[in-house]
Parts: sequence; C-alpha cells; structure tokens
Amino acid sequence: EVQLVESGGGLVKPGGSLRLSCAASGFTFSSYSMNWVRQAPGKGLEWVSSISSSSSYIYYADSVKGRFTISRDNAKNSLYLQMNSLRAEDTAVYYCARDLRDAIFDYWGQGTLVTVSS
Amino acid sequence: SYVLTQPPSVSVAPGQTARITCGGNNIGSKSVHWYQQKPGQAPVLVVYDDSDRPSGIPERFSGSNSGNTATLTISRVEAGDEADYYCQVWDSSSDHYVFGTGTKVTVL
Repeated sequence: EVQLVESGGGLVKPGGSLRLSCAASGFTFSSYSMNWVRQAPGKGLEWVSSISSSSSYIYYADSVKGRFTISRDNAKNSLYLQMNSLRAEDTAVYYCARDLRDAIFDYWGQGTLVTVSS
Repeated sequence: SYVLTQPPSVSVAPGQTARITCGGNNIGSKSVHWYQQKPGQAPVLVVYDDSDRPSGIPERFSGSNSGNTATLTISRVEAGDEADYYCQVWDSSSDHYVFGTGTKVTVL
C-alpha cells in the first residue's frame, strides 16, 4: 500500500525557517517524481515544487522561488522542503504527492499545517 | 502564466448530472487531470489524461477536453459526491503545474 506521511509543520514567525519531510512507503520511491502542493485556509490548491526521480529536474512556483528548496533522499525514501524567509501568506496545509507520470498526482499524503504568524 | 478557470459552485439534485468546466487557452492540446477533495481530506485523483479513471473510481465520473474547455461530468450524482473539484495541467511553457480555481459541488 502506497503511503505518504508528511511531518515538520508548526508555528513559525515571519522571516523564520522550517523543514518539511515526507516519508514514502509501499512503492519504489526512486522511480517517481515527487511534488509539494499547498492549500491556504479556505483556499484552493497551489502547486509549490517538483523534483524528478534522480533530482535532475527541479521546478518551483514563482511564489516560493528563491525561498524554498526541494530535495530528496532516495536511500531514505524521503522528500523534503526547506522553507526560508517565511511569510504570512505561506500559511497553509502542505501536501506531498507522487507524480505517476505527466503531472498525474496519484497519491497524496494527509498534509502538515504550517502557520506563519508573530 | 497559464490560468485555469472553474465556476465557483455547481448545485445538482441527487440522481442528476453535474458538469464542471475548466477553461484555459487551448486546453484541448494539454492533458487534463481532475481531483476531488472532501472537507478535511487530501485530494483524490478521479480522472486523468482528460477521460481515464483510476481504479476504484466509479464509472459515473467521466471527462472530456476540447478547444478551450475541459469538462468533468458526474452522472447519477450521489450525496457522497459533494466536494471540491480541481482541474490540473502541466504548462510546458513555464515548467509549472497549474491547478484550476476549484468548484464546490453541492448536492441539493
């Protein structure tokens, strides 16, 4: 059974940093691209970042480019999102999602809440 | 940047058909995927590549895509279909994944 479990969310002050993790199991993690998607309270889905299976290709939404860094450790079956210079507008539930192929996000984690507030 | 526009809400009586549109410039040239999200839950893929269904998704869910509009159709709507629905594409010109604005489906 495919499982994605996010962790690392919490309350952080504006300008602070946080590192999210996503632990994957039930599939060959190293064969799939992975993504972070977020959802602000009461708002829609917003794609944040994507990383290919071997980390060769990395993409970011304009809203986080230069502040967030996506990475993965295939030996540990884990995906990460380092978030720096956090802003109030980064407050959201952050989901990790597996990319089956061609942007098909077939499995999602349950999400971790990040709150940026003073 | 590429924009996908959905109606904010669609209301439908049980047993009837709900149609949710997703508008984008020449979206017919892209592969469109649809997600269902119920309150407090993660999104679930319900249609991919315009019209294919993942295993476990009822045949009542179908999709089409042509010109500037993609459509998710839910036939014989049930109370359990009440949720938010999002379309999604990959925009190769910007190397960005794009989600639609989302549509809340209410079952009357």
